[in-house]
Amino acid sequence: QVQLQESGPGLVKPSGTLSLTCAVSGGSISSSNWWSWVRQPPGKGLEWIGEVYYSGSTNYNPSLKSRVTISVDKSKNQFSLKLSSVTAADTAVYYCARDAGTAAPGRFDWGQGTLVTVSS
Amino acid sequence: QTVVTQEPSFSVSPGGTVTLTCGLSSGSVSTTYYPSWYQQTPGQAPRTLIYNTDTRSSGVPDRFSGSILGNKAALTITGAQADDESDYYCVLYMGSGSNWVFGGGTKLTVL
Repeated sequence: QVQLQESGPGLVKPSGTLSLTCAVSGGSISSSNWWSWVRQPPGKGLEWIGEVYYSGSTNYNPSLKSRVTISVDKSKNQFSLKLSSVTAADTAVYYCARDAGTAAPGRFDWGQGTLVTVSS
Repeated sequence: QTVVTQEPSFSVSPGGTVTLTCGLSSGSVSTTYYPSWYQQTPGQAPRTLIYNTDTRSSGVPDRFSGSILGNKAALTITGAQADDESDYYCVLYMGSGSNWVFGGGTKLTVL
């Protein structure tokens, strides 16, 4: 069973870049899945950020597209999120997830999440 | 931008049946949106309950079911239990560009 684990700084300064990595274990990142990032501000709902395929193809939330980069590192079996020009509004728990794709659309396997706070 | 709508809150009595819905600010939800449902308790990651309209994820009790009711997707809990008290989120697939859009979530109280 695949497991996902987020890692990265828990505190980022305003106007800086948020960088997170999701390590995938129990399965290959080169399998036929999309690999997603989802965030949840404190006390609020879920927001899909974007996704990457092992080939490097990406899709992003239009509202974040200008600031987001999601990439994959097949050699390390992990994928990453970069969000630039952050503000306090980007403070959230960030989840990485595997989207089973066309085989099972909407079936997400979730990481445990990591809280990132944007503050000086 | 299209908004995915959910009831902000709902309550159900233990043993009762409740149906939560997932709609669109404009238009009808159909199976082509692959509606999916997630359960989240405080401090925990979401858990996939239902995907692709009506397929239960592995290990999910059969008292959770998904469907299309009228112009919305629906999650029905039959025989509600105390530990069903959670936040429930739906998500819809909007196609290339927007891909997945979550609803605002429904806080379910069992009392």
